[in-house]
Amino acid sequence: KNEVEQSPQNLTAQEGEFITINCSYSVGISALHWLQQHPGGGIVSLFMLSSGKKKHGRLIATINIQEKHSSLHITASHPRDSAVYICAVRSVGNEKLTFGTGTRLTIIP
Amino acid sequence: GAVVSQHPSWVICKSGTSVKIECRSLDFQATTMFWYRQFPKQSLMLMATSNEGSKATYEQGVEKDKFLINHASLTLSTLTVTSAHPEDSSFYICSAKTSQGKAEYGYTFGSGTRLTVV
Repeated sequence: KNEVEQSPQNLTAQEGEFITINCSYSVGISALHWLQQHPGGGIVSLFMLSSGKKKHGRLIATINIQEKHSSLHITASHPRDSAVYICAVRSVGNEKLTFGTGTRLTIIP
Repeated sequence: GAVVSQHPSWVICKSGTSVKIECRSLDFQATTMFWYRQFPKQSLMLMATSNEGSKATYEQGVEKDKFLINHASLTLSTLTVTSAHPEDSSFYICSAKTSQGKAEYGYTFGSGTRLTVV
């Protein structure tokens, strides 16, 4: 079992739909990161969470430390949101990231 | 915000030649740089961690003599793929640790380099 599990692996939705991507992890963490990888390969850091909830524009990220679970939500999805979304955790006492396998999101106009 | 500039974005080289990939931190000092490799539709795989002024720490299974990492300054880290072979064809991406406050830090990624060895 991977330390970081994401679901779904692939998600196709219509423009405007509310999107949820889930991440579960099995280790104690210092922080959890949500990353966005565009088709060209570049990676953008969306959120870094250690507790609670963060919001940036149409993106919302939540984390439940007790349940070892995080969600990334996208409201009013748009075709430009199409990308691979990756959950990554930094475990306690470690500076390395452990990555989930990613969720490939496709938003259809 | 913190920016890491990675070059080249893509490179095609002949088998047996060496290729150097550079990552520069543009507006901050990158004391630690992580180098990753990614195969198609797979997750990032950490190859090595480099700290400025010291030898890189390689992950198990990564050949240090093949993937030379140099982090000679606080703003530049390089990965050299020596005697490249077709199986080295992959997407390589760097990531710098960035300070977020007293005890917090985040990561800024380069734009990646797609290497094709023919």
